[in-house]
Amino acid sequence: KAGVTQTPRYLIKTRGQQVTLSCSPISGHRSVSWYQQTPGQGLQFLFEYFSETQRNKGNFPGRFSGRQFSNSRSEMNVSTLELGDSALYLCASSLSFEGRAYEQYFGPGTRLTVT
Amino acid sequence: GQNIDQPTEMTATEGAIVQINCTYQTSGFNGLFWYQQHAGEAPTFLSYNVLDGLEEKGRFSSFLSRSKGYSYLLLKELQMKDSASYLCAVVQGGKLIFGQGTELSVKP
Repeated sequence: KAGVTQTPRYLIKTRGQQVTLSCSPISGHRSVSWYQQTPGQGLQFLFEYFSETQRNKGNFPGRFSGRQFSNSRSEMNVSTLELGDSALYLCASSLSFEGRAYEQYFGPGTRLTVT
Repeated sequence: GQNIDQPTEMTATEGAIVQINCTYQTSGFNGLFWYQQHAGEAPTFLSYNVLDGLEEKGRFSSFLSRSKGYSYLLLKELQMKDSASYLCAVVQGGKLIFGQGTELSVKP
């Protein structure tokens, strides 16, 4: 079974621009979560989608948004990029969001650099 | 709210045993995961605890005490390849909240 894939793997953007990251979950997984990982803050939860609905959202500004399509693929968008948005963005999929089924299978991540 | 604490760094010797602690304070609890993350790679699943007690899986074991808000990951017969960051994550309110991670260095 193919793992979680993320595109692109690396991205360089300028302050003020916007960016869209894509994630394809493991086949059969309906829950997709997004995380931001930085050396100072660790792994922080952005949001989670299940069956095209955003179920939960972390403490990030409205510049961070996402969506999920009917085939469970997900995208996240960051508008008006700031230098502090430079990070590794990880997508993870799981069967469900309850108990053991919430085991996250992570993709390789997208390394975003904002200059 | 949630607060998850782990030691920032630990060092151990090849062949030894190491215990990585995790304490948490959450307004709700629905399970605790441990993940391993090698530098430059994505986190991978190690263990899941939802009931009190010890879960053993080969060289790795994880313990949970819900009343104390405490978990630990025990690594036995350490190998050089165990050098990595170990992340404790609590399921709370439908979200998976991660600690900062413990950077483990295994020395020969």
